[in-house]
Amino acid sequence: QSALTQPASVSGSPGQSITISCTGTSSDVGRYNYVSWYQQHPGKAPKLMIYDVSNRPSGVSNRFSGSKSGKTASLTISGLQGEDEADYYCSCYTSSSSYVFGTGTKVTVL
Amino acid sequence: QITLKESGPTLVKPTQTLTLTCTFSGLSLSTSGVGVAWIRQPPGKALEWLALIYWDGEKHYSPSLKTRLTITKDTSKNQVVLTMTNMDPVDTATYYCSHRRAAVVSFDYWGQGTLVTVSS
Repeated sequence: QSALTQPASVSGSPGQSITISCTGTSSDVGRYNYVSWYQQHPGKAPKLMIYDVSNRPSGVSNRFSGSKSGKTASLTISGLQGEDEADYYCSCYTSSSSYVFGTGTKVTVL
Repeated sequence: QITLKESGPTLVKPTQTLTLTCTFSGLSLSTSGVGVAWIRQPPGKALEWLALIYWDGEKHYSPSLKTRLTITKDTSKNQVVLTMTNMDPVDTATYYCSHRRAAVVSFDYWGQGTLVTVSS
């Protein structure tokens, strides 16, 4: 099972909006609305930011939003802040009753 | 407050079997829909999902690793155990356990992770 494809890096200035893409196949992203997004700071465990494509867990800033079109899901961070600098991973449930993660995207705040 | 903590050896030799334990609190693996998963991350690399066990004992494995993995639970001890056979240096990674909430297809609580190095 191949990892979902994400851009290696995305950058933006404080206050700007950035979007991270996550491309899968018809067996995962294209089939299920079970895409989630995780934020990971260096040396820390991942933190759930978005689940079921566009839902935010309690306590997650509304600057984070998710969407999906076809086989590609997206995470948008609006009003970029220094604390948003981290690695981001998408994940999706698959037709083999397993999960697959993305290749990861490093977000840099300029 | 849900907490999970991984424990096990920090160093294993090639070909050996790795056994990791996830001890949790604040959640019950007897609750319908709840699951505990294992996910790993090699140094500087991406996350990789390994296995998941549900409250009812149903188990799911990564297709690429299923022949090497076994996941079990001990509800009375609030523990989930992962075994991985025939360890190789490429299996060097931080291993995390995480909680899957009922009706939510994602992992909302994670342990701190434990680094396992495979070397002779």
